[in-house]
Amino acid sequence: GENVEQHPSTLSVQEGDSAVIKCTYSDSASNYFPWYKQELGKRPQLIIDIRSNVGEKKDQRIAVTLNKTAKHFSLHITETQPEDSAVYFCAASRPNNNDMRFGAGTRLTVKP
Amino acid sequence: DAGVIQSPRHEVTEMGQEVTLRCKPISGHDYLFWYRQTMMRGLELLIYFNNNVPIDDSGMPEDRFSAKMPNASFSTLKIQPSEPRDSAVYFCASSLDVAGGSEQFFGPGTRLTVL
Repeated sequence: GENVEQHPSTLSVQEGDSAVIKCTYSDSASNYFPWYKQELGKRPQLIIDIRSNVGEKKDQRIAVTLNKTAKHFSLHITETQPEDSAVYFCAASRPNNNDMRFGAGTRLTVKP
Repeated sequence: DAGVIQSPRHEVTEMGQEVTLRCKPISGHDYLFWYRQTMMRGLELLIYFNNNVPIDDSGMPEDRFSAKMPNASFSTLKIQPSEPRDSAVYFCASSLDVAGGSEQFFGPGTRLTVL
């Protein structure tokens, strides 16, 4: 089955700096790659997603890039703010079964 | 829509007792997922249903765990007998059937503590 690895496990940045989180996946058939943000004590919530027919997607301060050949994708957050502090999960899903596998998560801390 | 609804929000029980967690997915969603989250193991997919039919239960830890979806608006995850190592937050999520995958909407979770 699919195996998703995520790095780093923890990331601390100064407010205003950029943060980058990277994930790799094993199943070349995976074609849907969402990113979820989970604040302390809350549920995971989707912040951005990308499909395999797209190499990059941007939504305000958040962007995701996908390299299907290398089987890795990344989350980029620019101009970080303290409210960006949370655990971020990447995930990969194969077509036609909605079976989604999550990475282990990255705890991002943005210091004011 | 109120989103995915889970009950109870917190459950404290003693080892050996039966525990039943409940989930109501978003109306119209075709898929329902049960996850377990712990610090050690992260977010693990336990089982998922498509149109009330279990599709993949390979993540269910052992025979003590069982899940049902008797209709499109209700699912249960049962642990019998419970053990301290089952302590975790259990999330239910639902999604539409979109070719190539779609957003999963998570419920608020049930925090289970087994003493």
